[in-house]
Amino acid sequence: EVQLVESGGGLVQPGGSLRLSCAASGFTFSSYWMHWVRQSPGKGLVLVSGINSDGSMTRYADSVKGRFTISRDNAENTLHVQMNSLRAEDTGVYYCARDGPGGATDFDSWGQGTLVTVSS
Amino acid sequence: QSALTQPASVSGSPGQSITISCTGTSSDIGAFNYVTWYQQHPGKAPKLIIYDVSNRPSGVSNRFSGSKSGNTASLTISGLQAEDEADYYCTSFTRSITLVFGGGTKLTVL
Repeated sequence: EVQLVESGGGLVQPGGSLRLSCAASGFTFSSYWMHWVRQSPGKGLVLVSGINSDGSMTRYADSVKGRFTISRDNAENTLHVQMNSLRAEDTGVYYCARDGPGGATDFDSWGQGTLVTVSS
Repeated sequence: QSALTQPASVSGSPGQSITISCTGTSSDIGAFNYVTWYQQHPGKAPKLIIYDVSNRPSGVSNRFSGSKSGNTASLTISGLQAEDEADYYCTSFTRSITLVFGGGTKLTVL
């Protein structure tokens, strides 16, 4: 059974940093693109970042470029995102998601999410 | 990139069929056959139910079907059941090599 378990969320002040992690199990982690998707009440769902199977290619939403860094450790089956210079609009539930079967970007497995709140 | 447009809410009675629309542009839905639909129950993560316009992942009920015409995609749920009450989101790949989401539709089973 595919399992994705996020951790690292919490309350942080504007300008602060957080590192989210996602522990994967039940599948060959090193064979899949992986993604971070944010869900917030005001802005719905947003694809924040993605990384290819060996970590050589990354993609970011324009709103987080230069502030967030996605990475992965295939030996440890773990996905990370380092979030710096956090803003109020980064607030939301962050999901780790596995790339799905479609021809473009879709997500066939999701974690339970971790809440990030950016507020003073 | 603007979000895809979905109705805020739809409703139906058990056994009926409902359709949720998702309207985009010629730069997203109209450009590719890469429309995806997710179902999300309260407090849960989204679940993939349709990918590439009309394909169902293994384990998803055949009561769920997807289609596309021009810049509008549609999700149809037939034989509505109480467990179908949830939020539904569409997404599409775009010419900007990004992903755009719809704002979500709340389905109420009466």
